[in-house]
Amino acid sequence: EDQVTQSPEALRLQEGESSSLNCSYTVSGLRGLFWYRQDPGKGPEFLFTLYSAGEEKEKERLKATLTKKESFLHITAPKPEDSATYLCAVGTTDSWGKLQFGAGTQVVVTP
Amino acid sequence: DAGVIQSPRHEVTEMGQEVTLRCKPISGHNSLFWYRQTMMRGLELLIYFNNNVPIDDSGMPEDRFSAKMPNASFSTLKIQPSEPRDSAVYFCASTLGSGRTGELFFGEGSRLTVL
Repeated sequence: EDQVTQSPEALRLQEGESSSLNCSYTVSGLRGLFWYRQDPGKGPEFLFTLYSAGEEKEKERLKATLTKKESFLHITAPKPEDSATYLCAVGTTDSWGKLQFGAGTQVVVTP
Repeated sequence: DAGVIQSPRHEVTEMGQEVTLRCKPISGHNSLFWYRQTMMRGLELLIYFNNNVPIDDSGMPEDRFSAKMPNASFSTLKIQPSEPRDSAVYFCASTLGSGRTGELFFGEGSRLTVL
């Protein structure tokens, strides 16, 4: 059975304190791994797609990386506006268009 | 640009009542997804459409749930009869193409409370 596990469940950071979020996955055939950000009361917002091991994507203070078993979302020198829940999702080769989401990591960045 | 529009934003109803949630996807998008989010189960895909045709409804919990997409600019998710365990936030998302890129555009959700 396909599984997506995110850790930690919650993360509290001081402004400027860099950290990483983990998304480990067990799927039959990975089509892509996706990162989303979700603010309270809002729908998830797409951040990145990673297709193959070794691939990296960056956007402002966020950098996503992918290995054969997990993905990391690195937050460099975070600001309070980076506070959100970060979700990862996987798409598999036998599930056309279908994404399976992890439970998310809630990040709080304090000034 | 208008994003995905969902209505109602909040719905409180009593057990046994019919609930209809509505979604207007982004103009030009041809794939539409209905997700449900709860604390216990996270985000779960219920059903998705491509070119108005249902492709996979394996996530629909049971026969009480039904979804339609009569045209490219409108979709509904209906629950009849509703039960307290249906309480959740229901999201609609759309994208251009099959969704293989994983870039879905989500609406702000409809928060359903069934008493």
